Amino acid sequence: ETGVTQSPTHLIKTRGQQVTLRCSSQSGHNTVSWYQQALGQGPQFIFQYYREEENGRGNFPPRFSGLQFPNYSSELNVNALELDDSALYLCASSTELFQETQYFGPGTRLLVL
Amino acid sequence: RKEVEQDPGPFNVPEGATVAFNCTYSNSASQSFFWYRQDCRKEPKLLMSVYSSGNEDGRFTAQLNRASQYISLLIRDSKLSDSATYLCVPGGSQGNLIFGKGTKLSVKP
Repeated sequence: ETGVTQSPTHLIKTRGQQVTLRCSSQSGHNTVSWYQQALGQGPQFIFQYYREEENGRGNFPPRFSGLQFPNYSSELNVNALELDDSALYLCASSTELFQETQYFGPGTRLLVL
Repeated sequence: RKEVEQDPGPFNVPEGATVAFNCTYSNSASQSFFWYRQDCRKEPKLLMSVYSSGNEDGRFTAQLNRASQYISLLIRDSKLSDSATYLCVPGGSQGNLIFGKGTKLSVKP
């Protein structure tokens, strides 16, 4: 196991609602990246947090936002949920020196109805 | 051109076989390269980091050709437990990873 934890494991929401997903990074890791994986696709980069600030962002709209806390844990917030937001949301942690060597948590499976 | 291109498979091989996966990537600025494996409905697990021209870890050998923007993974003596989707992953420009759809491997008894 990587030591990266995510909650909740599963979630069902309806269109238009808001959702918050949580991630705790591996001990000693201060960088957290979030990815969205739709069925049959590879994970797509949403954003990365380092030192409590967004450090990079993929091609996702502003209704996808995040936070990082002093203990390096992170949240992903999605507003105004759409049906296409149904996916596996993965967080990955890494160190600042090796930000691309990333270890993934088990993911949160979100279903939007 | 897609950022990462892999043969989706599936590759169906018998136990003990040697199998090779190929991958091309479009971002010539990528500095880091990885292979991940992903089991059905699970998270990707880091299999290997790919250094300079390549490296070996037990039954797994990865090769990198920066000039051709090509990465390969060779698995020797395949085990049933090697059945998974294998993802070739170059690093992006924002500390992120760039994933394609991966190649599905099924090892049969």
